[in-house]
Amino acid sequence: GENVEQHPSTLSVQEGDSAVIKCTYSDSASNYFPWYKQELGKRPQLIIDIRSNVGEKKDQRIAVTLNKTAKHFSLHITETQPEDSAVYFCAASDTGTASKLTFGTGTRLQVTL
Amino acid sequence: DGGITQSPKYLFRKEGQNVTLSCEQNLNHDAMYWYRQDPGQGLRLIYYSQIVNDFQKGDIAEGYSVSREKKESFPLTVTSAQKNPTAFYLCASSRGGQEARNQPQHFGDGTRLSIL
Repeated sequence: GENVEQHPSTLSVQEGDSAVIKCTYSDSASNYFPWYKQELGKRPQLIIDIRSNVGEKKDQRIAVTLNKTAKHFSLHITETQPEDSAVYFCAASDTGTASKLTFGTGTRLQVTL
Repeated sequence: DGGITQSPKYLFRKEGQNVTLSCEQNLNHDAMYWYRQDPGQGLRLIYYSQIVNDFQKGDIAEGYSVSREKKESFPLTVTSAQKNPTAFYLCASSRGGQEARNQPQHFGDGTRLSIL
């Protein structure tokens, strides 16, 4: 099955700086890569996703890049704000089963003033 | 997402007791999922269902059971066979059918289960 590794496990940045979280996956046939944000004690919420037919997708301060050859994808947050502080999870689709996802272990992002 | 309701928010289990966690969705989604979340381990898939009256084991199904008698409901039972049930349990749903691939999953607010 799919295996997803996520780094770093914790990340601290100053407000206004950029943050980058990286994930690698093992199944070269995976073709869907969502990112979720989870605030303490709350549900994970989808913030952006990318499909394998594109290399980059942007939504305001958030962007995701995908390198299928290297089997890695990254989340980029620019101009970070305190409300960006949360745990971020990457995921990759399971090629054998509709919509089944394998999640990374999460990155705790702390944006300091 | 307001369309997925999990209850209760907190649940306590005694030794040898089975408990059932509720998950209801009004998004008309065919696929539903149960995840377990432990600190530092991300989300692990317990069971999933792609259509009514059908479900499949995920990565950590031992000690759990599910049913899918209605499209909108996917309850999870944590049995006494699950020796370490303390965790945060999340239910999710997504579109199904031919469009099921590459569709985002939407989560409920979760149930926090603890052992008394």
